[in-house]
Amino acid sequence: QSVLTQPPSASGTPGQRVTISCSGSSSNIGSNTVNWYQQLPGTAPKLLIYSNKQRPSGVPDRFSGSKSGTSASLAISGLQSDDEADYHCAAWDDSLNGVLFGGGTKLTVL
Amino acid sequence: EVQLVESGGGLVQPGGSLRLSCAASEFTFSNSWMHWVRQAPGKGLVWVSRINTDGSSTSYADSVKGRFTISRDNAKNTLNLQMNSLRGEDTAVYYCARAPGQWLVYGMDVWGQGTTVTVSS
Repeated sequence: QSVLTQPPSASGTPGQRVTISCSGSSSNIGSNTVNWYQQLPGTAPKLLIYSNKQRPSGVPDRFSGSKSGTSASLAISGLQSDDEADYHCAAWDDSLNGVLFGGGTKLTVL
Repeated sequence: EVQLVESGGGLVQPGGSLRLSCAASEFTFSNSWMHWVRQAPGKGLVWVSRINTDGSSTSYADSVKGRFTISRDNAKNTLNLQMNSLRGEDTAVYYCARAPGQWLVYGMDVWGQGTTVTVSS
């Protein structure tokens, strides 16, 4: 497996709650922590969630992460227009001895 | 301000070489694992390489193994990526990123702005 599996797109209306999934295997998500990155158009990625569910300083608590087995999820509540971005999951892979990223999910706020 | 600034990108012919650099400031560079991540136009993030704190341990994605070499100069707070035998599929924005922990436990918490590499004749 060369990438973690994410849906290519997701959408929601302002105020709504949306979730984005990330599926992996025993060598990555199943045995290591998951990180989530937000990438606004034309900018570098920004760390959103680390260690499955921890938020760096400055990240609103509207963003939350969870992990179960070989899958993880990012939830965004109280959706806002400036949440429109690409979201990427990532995890260390023991077989690769490196990092695997998901293909990215483009979130549209309708 | 904690910052990473990449440089060295540009246009190169297939088979050519390029050396990217990443200058770190306002944090203890020698305590940080460092990574290179790339993003082809319109595509997702792809991990390229990582190096440990003192440069004694490195790893690479299969797609660049044997062609790219990651290195660091802790005295100059600089991370490097020597790219040889470049191919069209190496065309991407290349980001350097800091990882406070070995197994990405704390994620990649600081990213540079990226430098663009275009491989084309």
